[in-house]
Amino acid sequence: GAGVSQSPSNKVTEKGKDVELRCDPISGHTALYWYRQSLGQGLEFLIYFQGNSAPDKSGLPSDRFSAERTGGSVSTLTIQRTQQEDSAVYLCASSPPGGGLGAQYFGPGTRLLVL
Amino acid sequence: DQQVKQNSPSLSVQEGRISILNCDYTNSMFDYFLWYKKYPAEGPTFLISISSIKDKNEDGRFTVFLNKSAKHLSLHIVPSQPGDSAVYFCAASGGTYKYIFGTGTRLKVLA
Repeated sequence: GAGVSQSPSNKVTEKGKDVELRCDPISGHTALYWYRQSLGQGLEFLIYFQGNSAPDKSGLPSDRFSAERTGGSVSTLTIQRTQQEDSAVYLCASSPPGGGLGAQYFGPGTRLLVL
Repeated sequence: DQQVKQNSPSLSVQEGRISILNCDYTNSMFDYFLWYKKYPAEGPTFLISISSIKDKNEDGRFTVFLNKSAKHLSLHIVPSQPGDSAVYFCAASGGTYKYIFGTGTRLKVLA
């Protein structure tokens, strides 16, 4: 079946602009995660959704970052007034019901470059 | 404060030999550990896991060892194949959905 998809695959933007990143999880997966991987760093947890609600937003770096999920499916991560330090690969992952301790299925990521 | 550390950024191994990738953690509440493999331009893919009630888990050529007293886990790949060349991440959880990832080790298997 189809895996996790993310769009766009690459995004170049100017400092100060807003960007929106999209994630389509695997159908039926109730949990959805956003991570960020900066150059030379590990995956940094940003936010977790269970269904449409986000019980844990603790990883969002600043109030310029927000995310939503609708219909228990698609999620968008929005970065307002982008800064150069926001440049990174943004990864989305999903996991099935009851898969809290199980493996997460990752999308290919969106490579964001802020000039 | 890096709770999960992969101190070797890269490793080169000859085809057919054993690859050993190491991971150290600091939080004694971590009780579930995963290894992921990542190819360029792709997302990480799950490889193997281990819970703290075990000290070893094996799946084909891949074995993960957990030493709780040392807060150390390792991934062994035997025999190594060129297709194993990738970045390997370890991740740890304290029994919740939230995983802390290491910075990764780039493995290169030489033909």
